[in-house]
Amino acid sequence: EIVLTQSPTTMAASPGEKVTLTCRASSSVSYMYWYQQKSGTSPKLWIYDTSKLASGVPNRFSGSGSGTSYSLTISSMETEDTATYYCQQGRSYPWTFGGGTKLELK
Amino acid sequence: EVQLVESGGGLVQPGRSLKLSCAASGFTFSNYYMAWVRQAPKKGLEWVATISTSGSRTYYPDSVKGRFTISRDNAKSSLYLQMNSLKSEDTATYYCAREAEGIGYFDYWGQGVMVTVSS
Repeated sequence: EIVLTQSPTTMAASPGEKVTLTCRASSSVSYMYWYQQKSGTSPKLWIYDTSKLASGVPNRFSGSGSGTSYSLTISSMETEDTATYYCQQGRSYPWTFGGGTKLELK
Repeated sequence: EVQLVESGGGLVQPGRSLKLSCAASGFTFSNYYMAWVRQAPKKGLEWVATISTSGSRTYYPDSVKGRFTISRDNAKSSLYLQMNSLKSEDTATYYCAREAEGIGYFDYWGQGVMVTVSS
């Protein structure tokens, strides 16, 4: 099983601040997927194939990485970006998710 | 517009069974792998099951293998999850999700249905 470790677990950012969330895999994966989940709602696909933005995702978001290290970056934090972000691998069964990073507004 | 609507959740005693349903619309259901993903209260996401387009192949993590069965009815555009021998640790919100091209990520999610396993 591929274990995904996200860091930090929680963080707070000020409006306009650059934010980077990290996801590390216990084994190499070809792609990483990211989901955004706001409180009380279902997750939404946010980034797929490591760096492609899902439909409707603002271009202040970006994804990068390879092998065992991946990241999601927000170039300039906005209020609406407060949420929990999960990474997920589809390299091999069982599909696994990271524990999530809760992003709050400072 | 893609829509996934789950139903069938509720309170069930440990050891009993429950069957969840997911009604899909807005896309050609038979062309997509489908999945169930769950989230325990205030916890992270856990993949529960995946089924191929025809239903001939199914995949489960060890935590539910042998107790849960995923199935589908392409004629009705419906997905199911039969959950047997339920345990307290199965308490969670269960989401129906479309798997993108069987690649292993989930491009659309339902609103979720709560399952509580308690005596």
